[in-house]
Amino acid sequence: SQKIEQNSEALNIQEGKTATLTCNYTNYSPAYLQWYRQDPGRGPVFLLLIRENEKEKRKERLKVTFDTTLKQSLFHITASQPADSATYLCALDADDYKLSFGAGTTVTVRA
Amino acid sequence: GAVVSQHPSRVICKSGTSVKIECRSLDFQATTMFWYRQFPKQSLMLMATSNEGSKATYEQGVEKDKFLINHASLTLSTLTVTSAHPEDSSFYICSARVGGGTNTGELFFGEGSRLTVL
Repeated sequence: SQKIEQNSEALNIQEGKTATLTCNYTNYSPAYLQWYRQDPGRGPVFLLLIRENEKEKRKERLKVTFDTTLKQSLFHITASQPADSATYLCALDADDYKLSFGAGTTVTVRA
Repeated sequence: GAVVSQHPSRVICKSGTSVKIECRSLDFQATTMFWYRQFPKQSLMLMATSNEGSKATYEQGVEKDKFLINHASLTLSTLTVTSAHPEDSSFYICSARVGGGTNTGELFFGEGSRLTVL
């Protein structure tokens, strides 16, 4: 069966450190992978998209890698700030134009 | 970025009643919108794909007669939860892509609607 697993459910880090989130998938062949941020009680907000032929993508303090051999994406938040505290979701194209989401990793950045 | 607006943000209803949730694309036309449901600490689950001017496409296990979707214009899709029961209590979120549903790329989400059925 198809699975998207985000390890782990929660991540607590000190301000200024780098948070690294993992997204592993099984039985998908995605052409691209996306990361979203979701705050409590709100809809997700798009952060980054990386295509299967791209190894790495950056946007400000965010960096995403995509390894189609390992079937894994890593999401890094560098120089983390308390405002980065949120749940981060990975998503990939499952069937044509539909997106399937992982359960998310909740990041808490301590001041 | 594009804006998707959802209303109401919160609704409480009695068991057996119907509730309508609206999803509007404010600054772009959306031929396709997607309706998701999210339970606490779980991932977003796609319920159905709403197609302007035609019937919605439902995911396996989603009852089309219970979750009525209407996409009457290029900027509005509605989800009606009919004969709601407490197990229907959840967070419902709509989304759309600029350029149509078959375009790859980011999804723009509404703010979500928290439904509580008593």
